[in-house]
Amino acid sequence: SQTIHQWPATLVQPVGSPLSLECTVEGTSNPNLYWYRQAAGRGLQLLFYSVGIGQISSEVPQNLSASRPQDRQFILSSKKLLLSDSGFYLCAWSGTGGYQPQHFGDGTRLSIL
Amino acid sequence: GENVEQHPSTLSVQEGDSAVIKCTYSDSASNYFPWYKQELGKRPQLIIDIRSNVGEKKDQRIAVTLNKTAKHFSLHITETQPEDSAVYFCAASGRSGGATNKLIFGTGTLLAVQP
Repeated sequence: SQTIHQWPATLVQPVGSPLSLECTVEGTSNPNLYWYRQAAGRGLQLLFYSVGIGQISSEVPQNLSASRPQDRQFILSSKKLLLSDSGFYLCAWSGTGGYQPQHFGDGTRLSIL
Repeated sequence: GENVEQHPSTLSVQEGDSAVIKCTYSDSASNYFPWYKQELGKRPQLIIDIRSNVGEKKDQRIAVTLNKTAKHFSLHITETQPEDSAVYFCAASGRSGGATNKLIFGTGTLLAVQP
């Protein structure tokens, strides 16, 4: 069966520091991959998605970036964090083709001080 | 642009009563509609989904109905239990469809089931 791993679970970072969050998927090949951010008590904001290695689409302009160096690895990065980057970051995967649900990882709770 | 509206934002029911959450979508090309349940501090989990060629789908106490003409779909939970308390999100497939499986999410409904 397919599983998705996301780490770290929690992270506290100072303003201006860099960020790297990692997500990996097991048990499937060539998945679609997604990064979401969820502010406290709010909905899911799609940040990036990828349909293949090296293919990244950005949904919202911001100081974050994403990369997909391997088929089942998705990384969210920032060179300099802002206070507004605080939130709950969720990675998700889906199969290819239509009518495919997205399956979420356990998330990373990021606090910026 | 693509949009999914979800109502109500909060819903409180007594244990054993039914709960209904409604969503409307803007893109007539949307053809896939999943529902997610998110408990506090946890990840969203898929609870039921429906395709556009089906009007209704049921799984035990949970059912989803779809009206393509009116572009709205609803989640029905019967015989609610305290463990049903969570935030529920509806979603609709985006215009890019099967190539990306992008989903447009509603803003969520906080369901509280009072024992």
